[in-house]
Order: sequence, then C-alpha cells, then structure tokens
Amino acid sequence: AQTVTQSQPEMSVQEAETVTLSCTYDTSESDYYLFWYKQPPSRQMILVIRQEAYKQQNATENRFSVNFQKAAKSFSLKISDSQLGDAAMYFCAYLRRDDKIIFGKGTRLHILP
Amino acid sequence: GAGVSQSPRYKVAKRGQDVALRCDPISGHVSLFWYQQALGQGPEFLTYFQNEAQLDKSGLPSDRFFAERPEGSVSTLKIQRTQQEDSAVYLCASSTLFREVAETQYFGPGTRLLVL
Repeated sequence: AQTVTQSQPEMSVQEAETVTLSCTYDTSESDYYLFWYKQPPSRQMILVIRQEAYKQQNATENRFSVNFQKAAKSFSLKISDSQLGDAAMYFCAYLRRDDKIIFGKGTRLHILP
Repeated sequence: GAGVSQSPRYKVAKRGQDVALRCDPISGHVSLFWYQQALGQGPEFLTYFQNEAQLDKSGLPSDRFFAERPEGSVSTLKIQRTQQEDSAVYLCASSTLFREVAETQYFGPGTRLLVL
C-alpha cells in the first residue's frame, strides 16, 4: 500500500527567507502524480504544485518549486521569499492509479515577521 | 461560482441524530470524492463517484455512512445515528475524468461536524 510521510510536524521560517518541507512516499507503481496542497486556517485545500512521475524536470510555480527524487521516493517543497500569507498546513499527497489520493499528516508552517 | 461548494459549513448534532452534508462540484467535473479529516490529520479517503456511479466506497468507516450522487452532479454524504467519533471535517473534491490531462482534485471548504 502507498504511504506518504511528512517528518516535520511544524516548521518556522523568517519572512523573505527560504524554507524546504520534506516528504517521502512509498509505492510500487511507476506512473503516478504527486502534489503539495496548502490548507490555510479557512480550511480550503488549495493546490500548490503538482509533479508527474514520468517527468524528470522539477515542477516550479512562481515562488514554489519541488525537488523530486524518484529513485529515493522523495518530493520536497521549497518556498522562496516566504510571505506571511504562506502560513498554513502543507500536505504532501500521492495520486494512485485508481484516483485515490493518499495524504501525509501535514506540516504546519509558521512565518515569522 | 467556479469552485466546489459545500453546505452546511458547520453542523452540530446530538449523538444519535442523522446528518446530511451536501457537495456541489465544479460544473462538468465527472469525478467526485469525499474525505474525512480528523483534527490535526491529513484527509482520508471515504468514497468516490464517477458521474452517478459510486465506484469505490472502501473508505466509509461503517454502514452508518452513505453517499449518493443520483444525477451525477450534486452529492450528499449522509451519516446515520451519529457518534462522537464522527466529529471531523468532511471535505468534498471534484476532478476531470481524464487522468493523462489533469487529475488535480479541487477541494471545497469542508463541513465541520461536531457530534455532542
């Protein structure tokens, strides 16, 4: 069965600095998708970034980028130039072939002004 | 609106009551998912619809949980004889069908259920 592990329950970063959130996963599939979702206190889950496993190039969306290491089954999220609005729970997620998403337990990110 | 909507946003129920939670997916989205998110945890899969067909209900925790999507659009998650352990946020998500194009799931704001 697929599992997603986020080993950092909480992290803090100074405003304007860079922070990296870790995620590892376990799977026997070769074709899958990985996501980072952001969940602010309002609780609306918002997609931050996605990565197709067959693509070697790391996905980038503005200040958000990933370091996808397929062999190591690692999928970390880097947030550059952190802003106060980035404060939220961040969930790493794996999309199975049957369209079920498996979520990690989340990392709560605090932005220090 | 263009997003997934859910109602009610908050629901307080007495133990033993039945509740119904509604989800309006994004127009044209074929797939619809329900998740349960306990406090401090990530969402956990409950059930999945493709149009009106419930293709997977393996995540429903008991036979007190029932979901339907009779016309392939709006979905309702019903919980009968609620128990305190049912207290959680219930999230609905929808996505397009074609996996190779985009299987991003778009989430609604959730319904926070508190069973007293």
